[in-house]
Amino acid sequence: AQSVTQPDIHITVSEGASLELRCNYSYGATPYLFWYVQSPGQGLQLLLKYFSGDTLVQGIKGFEAEFKRSQSSFNLRKPSVHWSDAAEYFCAVGAGNNDMRFGAGTRLTVKP
Amino acid sequence: GAVVSQHPSRVICKSGTSVKIECRSLDFQATTMFWYRQFPKKSLMLMATSNEGSKATYEQGVEKDKFLINHASLTLSTLTVTSAHPEDSSFYICSARVTGGVETQYFGPGTRLLVL
Repeated sequence: AQSVTQPDIHITVSEGASLELRCNYSYGATPYLFWYVQSPGQGLQLLLKYFSGDTLVQGIKGFEAEFKRSQSSFNLRKPSVHWSDAAEYFCAVGAGNNDMRFGAGTRLTVKP
Repeated sequence: GAVVSQHPSRVICKSGTSVKIECRSLDFQATTMFWYRQFPKKSLMLMATSNEGSKATYEQGVEKDKFLINHASLTLSTLTVTSAHPEDSSFYICSARVTGGVETQYFGPGTRLLVL
């Protein structure tokens, strides 16, 4: 079965600084990969997804992620963080069936 | 597009009562909907997969008689927490997968359940 690891529980960055959130997955075949963002007390919003093709994926709100098969990673990046980006971020892997696994999440704090 | 709603957003109930949570796909048809539970500061735990017109598939450890799921139409799935207890207090989130689309789930805003 697939699994997802987000090594960083909590990250703090200054507003305007760059951001990278790490995600590693375990799956035998080419996975479907997702990044979601969750604000407090809210549901999940899809930031971006990777199914195939170009390994650099552009998402909403200026986020991008790069699929690296050799490293089993799908890290999320943003060149300049805004205060409104403070939230919980979840990486997820789907296996082409009904099974989607979520990482434990990374909480992002943005310092003024 | 791909908007999913949940109702209610918050509910407080007494121990022993039942609570129904609705999940609707507003602008698309969803053959498959999913129910998740999220504990404070934790990730999402898949409870069950709901398929329109058939019985839900429950994850290991989830009591199907306690968490009743009905998916009566292509746009509506309901989760009923029966005989709720304080330990059932949690954030319940549903998601819907676009019928015939690629493997993307769109999530509802969640329902905060507090059982007193």
